[in-house]
Amino acid sequence: EIVLTQSPGTLSLSPGERATLSCRASQSVSSSYLAWYQQKPGQAPRLLIYGASSRATGIPDRFSGSGSGTDFTLTISRLEPEDFAVYYCQQYGSSPLLTFGGGTKVEIK
Amino acid sequence: QLQLQESGPGLVKPSETLSLTCTVSGGSISSSSYYWGWIRQPPGKGLEWIGSIYYSGSTYYNPSLKSRVTISVDTSKNQFSLKLSSVTAADTAVYYCARGQAVAGIDYWGQGTLVTVSS
Repeated sequence: EIVLTQSPGTLSLSPGERATLSCRASQSVSSSYLAWYQQKPGQAPRLLIYGASSRATGIPDRFSGSGSGTDFTLTISRLEPEDFAVYYCQQYGSSPLLTFGGGTKVEIK
Repeated sequence: QLQLQESGPGLVKPSETLSLTCTVSGGSISSSSYYWGWIRQPPGKGLEWIGSIYYSGSTYYNPSLKSRVTISVDTSKNQFSLKLSSVTAADTAVYYCARGQAVAGIDYWGQGTLVTVSS
C-alpha cells in the first residue's frame, strides 16, 4: 500500500518568500499521476498541479511542481497573502487507487 | 461550467447507513474520460479518498472502507451516490464529491457537506 508523506507539517514564512513543500512516496509513483492541491478554511481543495509539473487552468506561474519516482516538490516562488493555506499531494494508480498526503500548512510568520 | 452538489442528511445515527447523492450540472456524467468519486475530511484533519466510479460502471474503493462502501451512478439523473454502512463517530466528516482524470488530477469538487454521526 502506497503512503505519501508530506514535509514539513507546517511552514512559517513571510509574504514574498519562497516556499518549498515536499511529498515523498513509499514506492515509486508515475509522474503522470501526481497532483497537488491547495485548500483554504471552509473551502473545497483546488487543483494546482497535475502530472507532477503541469499547472491547472488559471493557476499563477509562481506555483511550480517537479520531481519523479518517490520524491516530488511543490514550489511557490514568491508567497502572496492568498497563498497561505494547506497543500496536499495526491497520487493515482497505485494500491490503493488514490491516496492523499497528510498535508503541509503554509502559515504567515 | 461544471458544477457538483452534494445532498443528503447532515446527521446519521451510529450503526445506520450514510447516504449521499452528488448532482452534476453543466456537463454529462456519462463521459468516458473521467471518474467520479467521493472524498472525506474529518474536522481538522486531512483528505481521505473513499472510492471512485467510472463510466463503465467499474468501482474502486479505499481498502480501509471497502467492506462498508457502495458507490453507484444514475446516468438518467446525472447523479452518483455514496452509501456507507455501519457508521460510527469516526465517520463524522465533510464529504466531497468530485470529478477526476488519472493524468489530470481532480479538477472539479463539490462544496462539501458535513455529516455528523451521533445519536
